[in-house]
Amino acid sequence: GAVVSQHPSWVICKSGTSVKIECRSLDFQATTMFWYRQFPKQSLMLMATSNEGSKATYEQGVEKDKFLINHASLTLSTLTVTSAHPEDSSFYICSARDYIKGGTDTEAFFGQGTRLTVV
Amino acid sequence: AQSVSQHNHHVILSEAASLELGCNYSYGGTVNLFWYVQYPGQHLQLLLKYFSGDPLVKGIKGFEAEFIKSKFSFNLRKPSVQWSDTAEYFCAVNARSGGGADGLTFGKGTHLIIQP
Repeated sequence: GAVVSQHPSWVICKSGTSVKIECRSLDFQATTMFWYRQFPKQSLMLMATSNEGSKATYEQGVEKDKFLINHASLTLSTLTVTSAHPEDSSFYICSARDYIKGGTDTEAFFGQGTRLTVV
Repeated sequence: AQSVSQHNHHVILSEAASLELGCNYSYGGTVNLFWYVQYPGQHLQLLLKYFSGDPLVKGIKGFEAEFIKSKFSFNLRKPSVQWSDTAEYFCAVNARSGGGADGLTFGKGTHLIIQP
């Protein structure tokens, strides 16, 4: 299957700083990527849909100014957590679909996730 | 908007026991359905998926699921579990709207523990 890679796998940052998380599709082009957040022992919640070359679409309740998404190329989307606070500590996961190969009926491949801890 | 309900949050079974994890979704239109597994410390992996056709789908590692449209259900089954099946299992759906670019809606997950 297709490979989606996230970097870093974990990061610790000080409160008030910004953190950038990268999501790459390694062997396919992803016009659309998705960013999820997973709280401990809970499910994944869709935060936003990242569209190559255009603005991201955010889910209700997600602050777009806090979670900046940039999808500058067909293989890279970035999520920047701005002015991070301890409540932003979570597991962030991206996914992407190979629409070119599979069309609309295609599975999503997930990155390994990024554990963010804000101290 | 769609929603997904997984009935069992924690399941403990002995090896060789049969498994069935319930999943119901709420959405008025056509959906794609998925089961993902997350082993401790690892990323999500696809177990199986349903897009159309035969409602009984077979996935990896001996898992299967049956889509029952009238019940809005997509239950996961395995006839004989192994200790290595200990993991978190997530049911997910996405609406088959135009473009198919919708993200997934996940259930809360089922933590499965298999005792040797």
